[in-house]
Amino acid sequence: AQKVTQAQTEISVVEKEDVTLDCVYETRDTTYYLFWYKQPPSGELVFLIRRNSFDEQNEISGRYSWNFQKSTSSFNFTITASQVVDSAVYFCALCSGGYQKVTFGTGTKLQVIP
Amino acid sequence: DARVTQTPRDKVTEMGQEVTMRCQPILGHNTVFWYRQTMMQGLELLAYFRNRAPLDDSGMPKDRFSAEMPDATLATLKIQPSEPRDSAVYFCASGLWGGGANTGELFFGEGSRLTVL
Repeated sequence: AQKVTQAQTEISVVEKEDVTLDCVYETRDTTYYLFWYKQPPSGELVFLIRRNSFDEQNEISGRYSWNFQKSTSSFNFTITASQVVDSAVYFCALCSGGYQKVTFGTGTKLQVIP
Repeated sequence: DARVTQTPRDKVTEMGQEVTMRCQPILGHNTVFWYRQTMMQGLELLAYFRNRAPLDDSGMPKDRFSAEMPDATLATLKIQPSEPRDSAVYFCASGLWGGGANTGELFFGEGSRLTVL
C-alpha cells in the first residue's frame, strides 16, 4: 500500500516570510517517484518537481527548494520570501508500485498575506 | 501548446440522471488518470489506464461509475445513476510514461465541476 500524508491543512504567512510544507510518504517499493503540484485559485494543477528515490540531493529553483530524506520518508517543500502569488493549495504525490499508481496527499492550503 | 481537454467544464444535473465526462489526453501520451477532488477527501484516484488498458479502478464505486478509453484520444467517466454525494470536481490527467525521465509526471486538465441536486 502507498500513502502520502500532508499534516498541515492550512498555513498563513505574511509576505516575505519563509514557509515549509511537510510531506511524509509510505511505500514498500525501493523505486518510486515523488512530486509536488500547485493548485492556484484558478483550479488547474501545475507540476512543480519530480524526484526519484535514488536521488536524495536537495533541489533549489529560485525561491523554491525541496528536501528529500529517505531516512524519515519525507519530501518537504520550502518557499523562501513568500509572495502573494504563492497562495495556492500544494499537493505532494507518490508514484510507486508495479502499475506506477500516483497517490496524492490531501493538500496544504497556503495563504500569503500582503 | 498541448494540453489535456475536459468537457463539460460545469455540469448541474438532478439525482438519478446519467453523467458522462470526457477527456482528451495530450497527443502521444500513453497514461491517463481520473481523479475526484472534494473538500473532505482531497484528490481521490478513481481509475487509470496505460496504453488504453485499465490498470486499476479500485477507487471507483463500481455499481454506478465506469471508465473507458474507446481510443487513444478519448477517455470517458460515466456515472449512472448520479447521486448528490457525487458532487465534486473531476480531473483527468495524462502523461508519457515508459521508465524514463517523465515517469510519474502528470499533466492535468482544468477539471469538470459536477453538481448533483
